[in-house]
Amino acid sequence: ETGVTQTPRHLVMGMTNKKSLKCEQHLGHNAMYWYKQSAKKPLELMFVYNFKEQTENNSVPSRFSPECPNSSHLFLHLHTLQPEDSALYLCASSQEGQPQHFGDGTRLSIL
Amino acid sequence: GQNIDQPTEMTATEGAIVQINCTYQTSGFNGLFWYQQHAGEAPTFLSYNVLDGLEEKGRFSSFLSRSKGYSYLLLKELQMKDSASYLCAAPFSGGYNKLIFGAGTRLAVHP
Repeated sequence: ETGVTQTPRHLVMGMTNKKSLKCEQHLGHNAMYWYKQSAKKPLELMFVYNFKEQTENNSVPSRFSPECPNSSHLFLHLHTLQPEDSALYLCASSQEGQPQHFGDGTRLSIL
Repeated sequence: GQNIDQPTEMTATEGAIVQINCTYQTSGFNGLFWYQQHAGEAPTFLSYNVLDGLEEKGRFSSFLSRSKGYSYLLLKELQMKDSASYLCAAPFSGGYNKLIFGAGTRLAVHP
């Protein structure tokens, strides 16, 4: 148990579907992150939120839309995804200057 | 540019010592992190080095040389449960929150 919970753990969707990934942290942290992890590639930072404000968008396509309603919750809304978007999506949280704590991820498959 | 390199795979024997190397190029160095990731699980924090030298934590130690852009993770008295991927990461753009990761070193420990 890392204190960061992601749902669902697995998701299969078609290219025309709309779905959302959810992340919740119980650690009292003020920063939350989305990462993409593809096979044999480095973890790629997608978005950073500090105190609910987006402070980083790492050139992510607009078919990925993050939402951070409060410091404990983070969503990633998905629409019109492509097969190359199939990957493990990891959420993390941290305090400023402290190590990031990761969730177990959502394994996403695009048909 | 900003880049982190580490070997793709390593194998070692139970009870032995293994050293996993990492070289990095980042702007505005703010330390170097090591994470462990078992298959299908969240990356978990192992160590953080910001000053040159060796930091020891039980069976695991991490070394940093800022002048050489080099770090290593040393694992002693290897156990089967140490079979995992080891990720090297460093903040980029001078911010603690924005991590760039290496592709990870997959370590297999054999009896």
